[in-house]
Amino acid sequence: QLQLQESGPGLVKPSETLSLTCSVSGGSISTSSYYWGWIRQPPGKGLEWIGIIYYSGSTFYNPSLKSRVTISVDASNNQFSLKLSSVTAADTAVYYCARARRPITGTTDYWGQGTLVTVSS
Amino acid sequence: QSALTQPRSVSGSPGQSVTISCTGTSSDVGGYNYVSWYQQHPDKPPKLIIYDVNKRPSGVPDRFSGSKSDNTASLTISGLQTEDEGDYYCCSFAGSSTFVIFGGGTKLTVV
Repeated sequence: QLQLQESGPGLVKPSETLSLTCSVSGGSISTSSYYWGWIRQPPGKGLEWIGIIYYSGSTFYNPSLKSRVTISVDASNNQFSLKLSSVTAADTAVYYCARARRPITGTTDYWGQGTLVTVSS
Repeated sequence: QSALTQPRSVSGSPGQSVTISCTGTSSDVGGYNYVSWYQQHPDKPPKLIIYDVNKRPSGVPDRFSGSKSDNTASLTISGLQTEDEGDYYCCSFAGSSTFVIFGGGTKLTVV
C-alpha cells in the first residue's frame, strides 16, 4: 500500500522559506505513470493546488505561486520536497503531499496525512 | 484563474439523493473531460471519489456518480448514508498554463 508522509518545521517566520519533504513508501517514485505534488488548505478553507514534479525533474506550478515555489525530487531516497519563499501569514495552511496521475488532469489518488505550517513571528 | 464555483452547503436525509454542482468556464470544466471529485472528513486528507468526470476508483461505492454538461460538472450521491457527511471538492484541469484548479468546497449534511 502506497504511503506518503510529510515532514518539516511546523512554524516558519514571515519572509523566510518554508521547506517540507514528502517520503514515499510502498512504491517507487520513479514511475512513468505518476507525478508527485503538493496541495495546501488554509485552516477552515478550501484546497489550493501548488504544483507537481515528474521523477525526471520536470515541474509544473500554480501560476499564482510560481515565483516563490520550488519542487524538487530525490529519487534515490524516494522523496520529493517543497520550498516556498518569502512566506506571509496567508501561507499558513495544512500542506499535503500527494500522487497525481499522468497526464496532468488533477486526478490525485494518494494523499499524505498533511502537516500544518504556521507562519508567525 | 478563479476557483470553480460550488454551493457552500447541501443537505439530505438518509436514503435520499443529493447533487452538488461545480461551475467553471470553457477554459476548464467545459474544455476538458478531466473533472475529479474529492470527499474530505474533518482532520483527514481528501479522498478521490470520481475522476475523468464519471469514473469511480476501485472501492468507491456506485452510490457516487459524476456527470458534466457544458461548463458545469455534478456529483450525485444516492442512497445517502450518515458517513457521507463531510466536505466535497471538485477539481478540473485548466489548460497548460494554469494546470489544475479546485472548487471552493461544499459541506454536505445528512440530517
